[in-house]
Amino acid sequence: QVQLQESGPGLVKPSQTLSLTCAVSGASVTSSYYYWSWIRQPPGKGLEWIGYIYRSGNTYYNEALMSRLSMSVDTSKNQFSLQLSSVTAADTAVYYCARDHQSWNGFFVGLDVWGQGTPVTVSS
Amino acid sequence: EIVMTQSPGTLSVSPGERATLSCKASQTISTNVAWYRQKPGQAPMLLIYGASTRAIDTPDRLSGGGSGTEFTLTISSLQSEDFAVYYCQQYHNWPRTFGQGTKVEFK
Repeated sequence: QVQLQESGPGLVKPSQTLSLTCAVSGASVTSSYYYWSWIRQPPGKGLEWIGYIYRSGNTYYNEALMSRLSMSVDTSKNQFSLQLSSVTAADTAVYYCARDHQSWNGFFVGLDVWGQGTPVTVSS
Repeated sequence: EIVMTQSPGTLSVSPGERATLSCKASQTISTNVAWYRQKPGQAPMLLIYGASTRAIDTPDRLSGGGSGTEFTLTISSLQSEDFAVYYCQQYHNWPRTFGQGTKVEFK
């Protein structure tokens, strides 16, 4: 059974850097079938796709966050991470990691595994 | 980026009734759409991909349809666990984008 588990500080001060990690179990971050993704959800609002990192280290970021965003993958620990710099109150949200799955025939099948989410508040 | 627009924002339905949720894409996306359900305090869960293929554990009272720019999710007979918020998402290209959600509530 594949599981994702987010971890990181629940409170970050404005202008600082938010760092989150997603530990993967039951699957390998080196698999060619998966794009390891981050999604966030501000309180009471909808889902916002943040970006993905692939096993090679290739990334694709939401253009609105691109200038502040960095993702990395650690194959030795089977985990991937997100760093968002210069945070403001607008970055307060529940942050989810998820697996974007490309099947063997090349077709994507959606975000099929999600972490439980970790709430992050930006406040002084 | 592709904009996904869901309607209605809220759908009031009685248990046992049928519910139809809509999702429209700002450009053609073939059948590259997924539907998710989110219950309060929980992560979203994949229900449908490829516009109409049920994910593992998705009951057959849920069905998806459409192609191109217009998509639907139909729940044939609402059960208690179906009262939640539903999101459509396109994966035709990057960046992935979600609709704003439809809340299905008790009438």
